[in-house]
Amino acid sequence: KNEVEQSPQNLTAQEGEFITINCSYSVGISALHWLQQHPGGGIVSLFMLSSGKKKHGRLIATINIQEKHSSLHITASHPRDSAVYICAVNDSNYQLIWGAGTKLIIKP
Amino acid sequence: NAGVMQNPRHLVRRRGQEARLRCSPMKGHSHVYWYRQLPEEGLKFMVYLQKENIIDESGMPKERFSAEFPKEGPSILRIQQVVRGDSAAYFCASSQTHRGPNSPLHFGNGTRLTVT
Repeated sequence: KNEVEQSPQNLTAQEGEFITINCSYSVGISALHWLQQHPGGGIVSLFMLSSGKKKHGRLIATINIQEKHSSLHITASHPRDSAVYICAVNDSNYQLIWGAGTKLIIKP
Repeated sequence: NAGVMQNPRHLVRRRGQEARLRCSPMKGHSHVYWYRQLPEEGLKFMVYLQKENIIDESGMPKERFSAEFPKEGPSILRIQQVVRGDSAAYFCASSQTHRGPNSPLHFGNGTRLTVT
């Protein structure tokens, strides 16, 4: 079993839909990251969380430390949100453990 | 099929010394990316290399930092005359081509650099 599990692996939705991507982890962590990999290949760091909730524009990230679970939400999704979304955690040695990514396609 | 291998996992250097961080990409991957994670911050892009070429070094500090990806051997991120502010986790990623998401990035576990 992977230490960081993301679901779903692939997600296709219509423009405007509310999107949720989930991340579960099985190790003790010091922080959790959500990253976005664009079709062009570049990676952008969206959020770093150690507790609670963060919001940036239409993106919301939450983390439940007790349940070892985080979610990334996108409100009013748009085709430009199409990308791979990656969850990664810093373990107690500050190493990064990566999820496999969720490929999101938003259709107009 | 081994993933992206970075070494060392931990590196301690005194101020003024040189730090060399190595990254062996996944087999068949010819694109390498270096990222830095400063304490309490997210990942920041540093440099993108293909074999023997630097493609994009827009995230790399202009002084003391250099990167290479030779025809043979791992990619090297070199930091000369390290200062305390260089203390960070450095992550390497590789991909088969430069077009994701059909060519996803695979990340190494990182090198933790501590400058004393």
